[in-house]
Formats: sequence, structure tokens, C-alpha cells
Amino acid sequence: QQKVQQSPESLIVPEGGMASLNCTFSDRNSQYFWWYRQHSGEGPKALMSIFSNGDKKEGRFTAHLNKASLYVSLHIKDSQPSDSALYFCAVSPGTGSNRLTFGKGTKFSLIP
Amino acid sequence: EAAVTQSPRNKVAVTGGKVTLSCNQTNNHNNMYWYRQDTGHGLRLIHYSYGAGSTEKGDIPDGYKASRPSQENFSLILELATPSQTSVYFCASGDLGGGTLYFGAGTRLSVL
Repeated sequence: QQKVQQSPESLIVPEGGMASLNCTFSDRNSQYFWWYRQHSGEGPKALMSIFSNGDKKEGRFTAHLNKASLYVSLHIKDSQPSDSALYFCAVSPGTGSNRLTFGKGTKFSLIP
Repeated sequence: EAAVTQSPRNKVAVTGGKVTLSCNQTNNHNNMYWYRQDTGHGLRLIHYSYGAGSTEKGDIPDGYKASRPSQENFSLILELATPSQTSVYFCASGDLGGGTLYFGAGTRLSVL
């Protein structure tokens, strides 16, 4: 059974700072990787996805994937108050599947 | 954006009672999912469905049943509710070919 582990459990950075969220997975056949963000009191929402090894940038967010190392990460630049949330890494087993396995999440907060 | 509506938003149930959580999506997605969210565990998959009339067991199905009477509706049923089923439950939908999952706002269930 797929295991998805995230680190750190919580992360606090100053406004305008940078943050790195890490995720490892256990199934080498995994194909698709997602980052979801959940604000307090809401359901999770997809932030970005990555399917190929390397980096993918969307605005202030950059995802990195290394399938050989079973590793995916999310980097947040110029952190804003709206970024404070719970971030989940999610892994899909293969093409055409959105049966996702989620990690336990990283709680990201900004220093007031 | 995809719309997924859950009802009720909050529910208090008694141990041994029957609980039904409902989910409706208006995006004609084939796939629907039920997750529960607990502190320290992240999101865990209970049941899912690939279309009307079908249900599949997820990673933690014990104590739960699911029903998919139509493309739009997916229910989670607790026949004999227990305090260990106190949690926040999320429904999600997604296209048959994979891709983004769209989550509802969640149902907070307390079993006393």
C-alpha cells in the first residue's frame, strides 16, 4: 500500500519569506503528484500538479519532482498571509486515476 | 469551478445509531470519493465510486457503507455509529480520466 510522508509537520516563516515543504512516497510506479491546500474551515483545493521529473513553476509556487528518489517538494516564495494553510501532498497510482493517497499534511503559518 | 455540496455540515449522533452523510456534485464527474480527516492522520480514503451503481472499498472501509444511486449523488452510511467515527468527512469528485479532485466543504460528525 502506498505510503506518503510529509515533513515538516509545521512550518512558520515571516511574511515575504521562503518555505520548503517535503514529501516522499513509497510506490515506484506512481505517476502523478499533487499539492492541495486547505484553509481553516474549508475543503482541500488543488494548488498544483507535477508529472515529469524536474521543476514546475506557477507564480510564487514551484514544485519539484524526482521519481528515482521517490521525492516531491513544494517551494513557496514571497509568502503572503493567504498562504497560511494546511498543505497536503497527494500521489496518484497512474494514468487516468484520481484515486489519491494523501500525506498527513504540513501546517504552514506566517509570523504575525 | 466544480461544485460539490455536502449535507449536513454538522451532525451529532448517538452511539449505535444510523448516520447518513450526503454528497451532491453538479459537474457530471464519474468519480466520487469519501475521505475522513483526523489530526495526525491527514485524509484517508473510505469508499469511492466510478459511476452510478458502483462502489469500491478504499483504505479504511470498516464500519462504513456507500451508495451511488445516480451520477450526482454519493452517500456514506454508518449503520452503527461509534465514537471512533467522530471526524470531519469530505466528499470529492473528479473526471473519469484522472485529474483534479474537487472537494466539498466537509461534514463534522460527533458520535456521543
